[in-house]
Amino acid sequence: DSGVTQTPKHLITATGQRVTLRCSPRSGDLSVYWYQQSLDQGLQFLIQYYNGEERAKGNILERFSAQQFPDLHSELNLSSLELGDSALYFCASSLDATGDTQYFGPGTRLTVL
Amino acid sequence: DAKTTQPPSMDCAEGRAANLPCNHSTISGNEYVYWYRQIHSQGPQYIIHGLKNNETNEMASLIITEDRKSSTLILPHATLRDTAVYYCIVRVVAGTYKYIFGTGTRLKVLA
Repeated sequence: DSGVTQTPKHLITATGQRVTLRCSPRSGDLSVYWYQQSLDQGLQFLIQYYNGEERAKGNILERFSAQQFPDLHSELNLSSLELGDSALYFCASSLDATGDTQYFGPGTRLTVL
Repeated sequence: DAKTTQPPSMDCAEGRAANLPCNHSTISGNEYVYWYRQIHSQGPQYIIHGLKNNETNEMASLIITEDRKSSTLILPHATLRDTAVYYCIVRVVAGTYKYIFGTGTRLKVLA
């Protein structure tokens, strides 16, 4: 158990819909990272938040957005969903902003029908 | 970040040492070598990391060649639960924030 929690575990929705994925980092960690893992793209970094502020962006689509709240939990919002958005979404956390030793949550499996 | 090259798959007998190689010939002096593994579809799990000296922890040992162009992750006594995809990643610790995952090595531990 990494100490990172993600909800829900599974999510099934339809194209065009919007969903929110939630992540709670390990106690004491200030950074949260979101990754997407699809069959054809592997694990890809989406975005990082550090202490409530966006720190870095990776291959995140404009239809996706995230935020980190004062209690340090984070939400990833996916809108106008397409079939290709079906994937595992992982959240990771680390102590500071450098990303040294990231601890990953169990993931949310999103299926878009 | 430097790129890494790993064999796509390996088998190892249960109880034997599993030696997973990684080539990172373009690594820079300030880049660390990190190893993570992913068991089935679980979240990646941190194993070990190092700069130039060999490292050992309760999970594994990391051997980095003197020229730092390659490394080997050693699981001393592989068990069935070590069956996973193992990712070798190189990154600068300070100033970067993300891991770039390659395709990894799929290790299968055989009974």
